[in-house]
Amino acid sequence: DSGVTQTPKHLITATGQRVTLRCSPRSGDLSVYWYQQSLDQGLQFLIQYYNGEERAKGNILERFSAQQFPDLHSELNLSSLELGDSALYFCASSSKSGDGYTFGSGTRLTVV
Amino acid sequence: DQQVKQNSPSLSVQEGRISILNCDYTNSMFDYFLWYKKYPAEGPTFLISISSIKDKNEDGRFTVFLNKSAKHLSLHIVPSQPGDSAVYFCAASGLNFGNEKLTFGTGTRLTIIP
Repeated sequence: DSGVTQTPKHLITATGQRVTLRCSPRSGDLSVYWYQQSLDQGLQFLIQYYNGEERAKGNILERFSAQQFPDLHSELNLSSLELGDSALYFCASSSKSGDGYTFGSGTRLTVV
Repeated sequence: DQQVKQNSPSLSVQEGRISILNCDYTNSMFDYFLWYKKYPAEGPTFLISISSIKDKNEDGRFTVFLNKSAKHLSLHIVPSQPGDSAVYFCAASGLNFGNEKLTFGTGTRLTIIP
């Protein structure tokens, strides 16, 4: 157990639908990051939140949004889903210690 | 714009031999580099890191070398074991390590042949 919890592990949904992915960071970590991994490619950075505030944005589509709540858990909302949104979505949290970044086990999203 | 590149998608190595995984980067603002290991259906797990002020860091069977002038780093695994078979990602961070995103390479699939 990495300390970062992601739910659900798997999600199958139809095109046009909306889903919410959830992430609970490692205890004490204030930053949460969302990454997308498609088809055995690298991890593409989507967005970062730090202590409830958006800190940085990557190549996140307008159909996607995220937020971080006062208890520091984060949600990634994906709407108007397309087949190409099928991917693994990882959440990570970080601190300034040596290994810094810890990843959750991911949510596998399949859009049919 | 791929700022971190792993040009070898796959690598096969005999058990007991040395595995060398390579990574190149283009952004001179990167200050901290990490290697992650990933098994199927799991999240990446941290292996080893190196700061730009060093050129080598060792942790057991794993050693990372950094050549700043060439913007190149490598991960050496000696001796390679079957459990090392996984996808390895190189990642980089700027000066604000721990408070900013990591930029990842596309990964190298390492297969250790028994």
